[in-house]
Amino acid sequence: GQQLNQSPQSMFIQEGEDVSMNCTSSSIFNTWLWYKQDPGEGPVLLIALYKAGELTSNGRLTAQFGITRKDSFLNISASIPSDVGIYFCAGRSGGATNKLIFGTGTLLAVQP
Amino acid sequence: EAGVAQSPRYKIIEKRQSVAFWCNPISGHATLYWYQQILGQGPKLLIQFQNNGVVDDSQLPKDRFSAERLKGVDSTLKIQPAKLEDSAVYLCASSLTQVAVELPEQYFGPGTRLTVT
Repeated sequence: GQQLNQSPQSMFIQEGEDVSMNCTSSSIFNTWLWYKQDPGEGPVLLIALYKAGELTSNGRLTAQFGITRKDSFLNISASIPSDVGIYFCAGRSGGATNKLIFGTGTLLAVQP
Repeated sequence: EAGVAQSPRYKIIEKRQSVAFWCNPISGHATLYWYQQILGQGPKLLIQFQNNGVVDDSQLPKDRFSAERLKGVDSTLKIQPAKLEDSAVYLCASSLTQVAVELPEQYFGPGTRLTVT
């Protein structure tokens, strides 16, 4: 099945550093979502984006819906150890099914 | 508010055996989803229910996988017979509605980790 391309695949950073990751697709989406998944748990929604060009923040997290509607970006400022986990983007093209297509994930490790 | 419940959390079976997973969505959520997440990948939708009807099962391997949501609340996903490549985490999610543009949020359960040997 289709999956979105996320980069980087993994990041190893020091506490306090800022983090950027992105997600690209060959298809247009009308909604972009960013999830975080901790080991042994299901994904938890962080941010939802509904309009091209939209910039939305949730605490230290900021995400943007790309103008082309084929990409999205997530930034984490001043990282802390509890930011460790796998971050997934997901796109929704609309229609009757509300089907989400997930990205390949970015593993984030934060060194205290 | 209670979250999405799943059981069992872990299951180990031999290939060609059968296995079933159970999911209880958040109360009042009409839409229920089953996802397969293979190690190192993002979740992939297997089947979506709206109440007790199937909305999308285009990626469900129907020769061995089946799912039902008979009363429009909880759901079971079955694999019969299992193959080695079915080893994955099976996630259940639910959402309040499938059509509202502003509320597409899906809430995920903790998943069932299946190992097929």
